[in-house]
Amino acid sequence: DAGVTQSPTHLIKTRGQQVTLRCSPKSGHDTVSWYQQALGQGPQFIFQYYEEEERQRGNFPDRFSGHQFPNYSSELNVNALLLGDSALYLCASYPTGTGSGYTFGSGTRLTVV
Amino acid sequence: GDSVTQMEGPVTLSEEAFLTINCTYTATGYPSLFWYVQYPGEGLQLLLKATKADDKGSNKGFEATYRKETTSFHLEKGSVQVSDSAVYFCALSDRNSGGSNYKLTFGKGTLLTVNP
Repeated sequence: DAGVTQSPTHLIKTRGQQVTLRCSPKSGHDTVSWYQQALGQGPQFIFQYYEEEERQRGNFPDRFSGHQFPNYSSELNVNALLLGDSALYLCASYPTGTGSGYTFGSGTRLTVV
Repeated sequence: GDSVTQMEGPVTLSEEAFLTINCTYTATGYPSLFWYVQYPGEGLQLLLKATKADDKGSNKGFEATYRKETTSFHLEKGSVQVSDSAVYFCALSDRNSGGSNYKLTFGKGTLLTVNP
């Protein structure tokens, strides 16, 4: 059973560009969350999607947006990239209402130059 | 708001040594507590969890007890192995927020290196 899969694994972008990261949740999971992990730091919650709607949002600017599709997969979009957006972006999925924990993907390493 | 504080690393131990990584938290309500492990180049893996006061989570020889009176969830292992070398994150979930759909608040992580 595949776990959470993220693509691409690595990405290099230029300041001011836009980027889209993709996530396929683990089979049977319907809630998807995104986290940003800066180098040497713990992951920070960006937002969470359930039933194709954003349910919770962390302290991130509107440049960060997302989407969830009917098959539960999700995208994270970041506009007007800044150098400070360089980080590992982690997707995590969760089966709603079961009480089990999140399963994390291996992440997308974004470098902004 | 919610926060997690864990001991600064890096921690370097010899194989078979005793491990303790301290973690304290601040939260409203009754959070669930977690330890995650991150191996180089990988995502986070759930190591253990505890959902209420005095619960003990355990897995692969690691243990942590949910102490509400001291707001702590310290990670321990009696005898570490080289393969335990990784970054360890303490985290809490605000399970009262949004019902069953909760988010995780992480500490900054502690790098553990175990030498043979």
